Amino acid sequence: QVQLKESGPGLVQPSQTLSLTCTVSGLSLTSNSVSWIRQPPGKGLEWMGVIWSNGGTDYNSAIKSRLSISRDTSKSQVFLKMNSLQTEDTAMYFCARTSGFDYWGQGVMVTVSS
Amino acid sequence: DVVLTQTPVSLLISLGGQASISCRSSQSLVHSNGNTYLHWYLQKPGQSPQLLIYQVSNRFSGIPDRFSGSGSGTDFTLKISRVEPEDLGVYYCLQRTHNPWTFGGGTKLELK
Repeated sequence: QVQLKESGPGLVQPSQTLSLTCTVSGLSLTSNSVSWIRQPPGKGLEWMGVIWSNGGTDYNSAIKSRLSISRDTSKSQVFLKMNSLQTEDTAMYFCARTSGFDYWGQGVMVTVSS
Repeated sequence: DVVLTQTPVSLLISLGGQASISCRSSQSLVHSNGNTYLHWYLQKPGQSPQLLIYQVSNRFSGIPDRFSGSGSGTDFTLKISRVEPEDLGVYYCLQRTHNPWTFGGGTKLELK
């Protein structure tokens, strides 16, 4: 069955770069797109960006200058990199299959703090 | 950016009752290809969101027919009939017609 799983550091210092990995199974990245979504504690959901099945990307303009999404199809992994982190970037980060956002990972909590 | 306004913010419903959640968009959500990419999700406490309804009115696999979606253009509604304990949580609408894709602010469904 389709599964996605996020991984990465739980704590990042302010001004540093966040690197997260989404490992997928049960689907091919060459025929499926994957999005990243985040949720600050106690708040709503924010779509961050998508990597399309053809490898192209689209980003939320609010964070576009700080965000990069890439992938390694041979390893079935999608990567998120976001630089210049601030405390307001503290959130649960999810990856999800973009088609309807029908399958989500469990999420990884990232805290930005010194 | 498209703003999705969900009302009410919270909803107190008795078991077996009916709930209705509105999602209003600041722009039409009809895509140039004719499809309307408005979806509904439920996020239970401590869990990831789960897809309930896609493209306005289509139930996702395994979703009971107690859940129904309707609407067009800028006004959309999610109805939940015969509310059960597992229906509790926060409901979100999402639009994928316009970039950036945006979520509504959420509606918390609680038991009366």
